[in-house]
Amino acid sequence: KQEVTQIPAALSVPEGENLVLNCSFTDSAIYNLQWFRQDPGKGLTSLLLIQSSQREQTSGRLNASLDKSSGRSTLYIAASQPGDSATYLCAVRPGGGATNKLIFGTGTLLAVQP
Amino acid sequence: DTEVTQTPKHLVMGMTNKKSLKCEQHMGHRAMYWYKQKAKKPPELMFVYSYEKLSINESVPSRFSPECPNSSLLNLHLHALQPEDSALYLCASSQGIQGPGVPYEQYFGPGTRLTVT
Repeated sequence: KQEVTQIPAALSVPEGENLVLNCSFTDSAIYNLQWFRQDPGKGLTSLLLIQSSQREQTSGRLNASLDKSSGRSTLYIAASQPGDSATYLCAVRPGGGATNKLIFGTGTLLAVQP
Repeated sequence: DTEVTQTPKHLVMGMTNKKSLKCEQHMGHRAMYWYKQKAKKPPELMFVYSYEKLSINESVPSRFSPECPNSSLLNLHLHALQPEDSALYLCASSQGIQGPGVPYEQYFGPGTRLTVT
């Protein structure tokens, strides 16, 4: 059974700092991995999607990497801003069938202090 | 336009009520999803519709009844809910669900905050 965990569970950093969020999954048979942002009480905003054949994806100040063989992904946020404060979730799409089921990690609550 | 809309934003219902949640997308997506999210927990998949047919039911109790009247609309009918069903209900859509090599990114709506009293 695929399990996804995220470390740390919570993180507080001063504005301007670069930071890394970690995501681990137990089964390397995945089709892709998606990073989301969720503001309190709101829906999920998709940040980046990495296919299983890719090593990384970049969007603005965000860079996500994927090491499928070791079951790890990282989300790098450069020059953090208070507006980046939110919960960050990673989700994997398990392989082995025609399904788009996502299995979510436990999330990292990020607070960027002005 | 990558928007998924959900109504209502908030819903309070008694355990004997019948209510419905509505989700709509106009991106031409052919797969739609319902997720349930409890406080401080990640979303959990409930149902998946593909081409207006139910393809996944994650052993959800029958008091939750999904319906996909057309490719743009997804409803979740609620009846005889329990207080523990109080949660944020999220709808999502994607272009499709088939093919290991196709990314099919999921787009989420803002959710409906449901409280069962």
